[in-house]
Amino acid sequence: GAVVSQHPSRVICKSGTSVKIECRSLDFQATTMFWYRQFPKKSLMLMATSNEGSKATYEQGVEKDKFLINHASLTLSTLTVTSAHPEDSSFYICSASGPMGETQYFGPGTRLLVL
Amino acid sequence: AQSVAQPEDQVNVAEGNPLTVKCTYSVSGNPYLFWYVQYPNRGLQFLLKYITGDNLVKGSYGFEAEFNKSQTSFHLKKPSALVSDSALYFCAVRRNQAGTALIFGKGTTLSVSS
Repeated sequence: GAVVSQHPSRVICKSGTSVKIECRSLDFQATTMFWYRQFPKKSLMLMATSNEGSKATYEQGVEKDKFLINHASLTLSTLTVTSAHPEDSSFYICSASGPMGETQYFGPGTRLLVL
Repeated sequence: AQSVAQPEDQVNVAEGNPLTVKCTYSVSGNPYLFWYVQYPNRGLQFLLKYITGDNLVKGSYGFEAEFNKSQTSFHLKKPSALVSDSALYFCAVRRNQAGTALIFGKGTTLSVSS
């Protein structure tokens, strides 16, 4: 199947700093990428949908100025958590789908811990 | 509005026995249905999907799922469970439109005992 990578896999940062998470589709062109947040033993919460070359569409309740999403190419999307706070600590997972969009392939996730 | 229900938080089964993880859905139009598995501190791995065609879908690692339109269900099954199948399983639905996000159920933890 298609491969999606995320970097870093784990990050610890101080409160007030910004953190960038990269999501790459390694063997296909990702027309659309999605960013999810997952709390312990909970389901995935969709944060935003991004299409290459256009602004991301954020879900209700997700602060677009805090969670900056860029989808500059067909293989790369980035999520930047700006001025991170302890409550932003979570497991962030990206997924990508190709032009046909039938199946989403997920990255391995990034564990963010804000101290 | 689309939604997915996984009525069981946890399913326990002995190794070698058949397993079923339940899922029901609600979506306007024809659904795209998916099952994913998640191991601890990992992303989601795709197991199988139903788009159209045969109601019985076969996927990875010996899993299969049956689409039942009248009951709006898409239960995940495996004839003989393995200890290594122990993980968190998510059912998801999507509208029949490219580029739309998946809506996930809350997840079901499968525990297979030896």
